[in-house]
Amino acid sequence: EAGVAQSPRYKIIEKRQSVAFWCNPISGHATLYWYQQILGQGPKLLIQFQNNGVVDDSQLPKDRFSAERLKGVDSTLKIQPAKLEDSAVYLCASSQWTVDEQYFGPGTRLTVT
Amino acid sequence: QQQVKQSPQSLIVQKGGISIINCAYENTAFDYFPWYQQFPGKGPALLIAIRPDVSEKKEGRFTISFNKSAKQFSLHIMDSQPGDSATYFCAASKRANKLIFGTGTLLAVQP
Repeated sequence: EAGVAQSPRYKIIEKRQSVAFWCNPISGHATLYWYQQILGQGPKLLIQFQNNGVVDDSQLPKDRFSAERLKGVDSTLKIQPAKLEDSAVYLCASSQWTVDEQYFGPGTRLTVT
Repeated sequence: QQQVKQSPQSLIVQKGGISIINCAYENTAFDYFPWYQQFPGKGPALLIAIRPDVSEKKEGRFTISFNKSAKQFSLHIMDSQPGDSATYFCAASKRANKLIFGTGTLLAVQP
């Protein structure tokens, strides 16, 4: 079974620029998550999708972050404009239905200079 | 109440020794407690998980001990190996809602 795919793996941008990350979940997984992992901290949930719909986006900074999940499969996370404090690893995860068994992708390491 | 506090921040263990990582929570509504293992450059991977209806769960060299009254749970790695060197995160969730992660423990197993 193929795992969660993410791209790019690394991205360096200047503050105030925009950036987008892509995630392809495990086939058949209805639930998709985006996490932000700042160096030295545990992952923090940004947004959770169930098929096409948003289940939880309470910790998504909506003034600069946006996310969509097209046709209940792939997802993109966008930051516009980026700030220095957005430097982190952005992890995508998927699960079949419940939050219990989440499978994580390798992440995208974002550096904002 | 949403926090999960994890300790120690880092841990050095000799090969063959026992590694112990502890977590504490406040929210009594949490009903699922997983442990994740993360290697550098990789995403976290589910290692073992427990629900509050049991006090212990063992899978190979990995054991979770759960103390509901103290609101604490811990991961024990028996016969620790250099290949176990990684960052370990505890987490908690309630009724299949979002996972709340601890701050992580960097484990180094010395040969």
